[in-house]
Amino acid sequence: EIVMTQSPATLSVSPGERATLSCRASQSVSSNLAWYQQKPGQAPRLLIYGASTRATGLPARFSGSGSGTEFTLTISSLQSEDFAVYYCQQYNNWPLTFGGGTKVEIK
Amino acid sequence: EVQLVESGGGLVQPGGSLTLSCAASGFTLTIYDLTWVRQAPGKGLEWVSSIGNPGTTVADSVKGRFTISKDSSKNTLYLQMNSLRAEDTALYYCTKSSGKWNFDLWGRGTLVTVSS
Repeated sequence: EIVMTQSPATLSVSPGERATLSCRASQSVSSNLAWYQQKPGQAPRLLIYGASTRATGLPARFSGSGSGTEFTLTISSLQSEDFAVYYCQQYNNWPLTFGGGTKVEIK
Repeated sequence: EVQLVESGGGLVQPGGSLTLSCAASGFTLTIYDLTWVRQAPGKGLEWVSSIGNPGTTVADSVKGRFTISKDSSKNTLYLQMNSLRAEDTALYYCTKSSGKWNFDLWGRGTLVTVSS
């Protein structure tokens, strides 16, 4: 099983600042990596797939990068609606696995 | 509006059974790859079971107890859950994939509570 490790667990950021979230895979997942956003009481929402492709309608302030075992989600200028929990997920191998999540909170 | 709607959750005793359903509106659900993902209270996301290409797959944690299936005539996805345990308590989400196994549409979830 591929273990996905996200860091940090919690990220405190001021509105307007840049946020950088990391996701590491225990073995290569190529570019088969997705990012999701989950707000309290809501279902997750797909943000990025293929490591760097934005989902339809996603603002350009969200960007994904990386391949192999190291991935990054960057939010260039945090808006109030971006404070949430973010998960990465690999779909290169079965079983499909998620990272433990990074909570982005208001500083 | 394109959406997924889960149903069938509830309170069940350990060892009991439950069947979850997921209905689609606005599109034909059963032509896509489909997955159940769960989230225990206050915890992260866990893949449970998928159906599509290639066939069906299920997490080791539920193997032999959970069965995924779909009914094209009803445009519905199912998750039959037997021999339920306390650790199966979670919000169960129905998801769909388009091409690869990332999840581009999620339902709102249905809560399963296993407790005596």
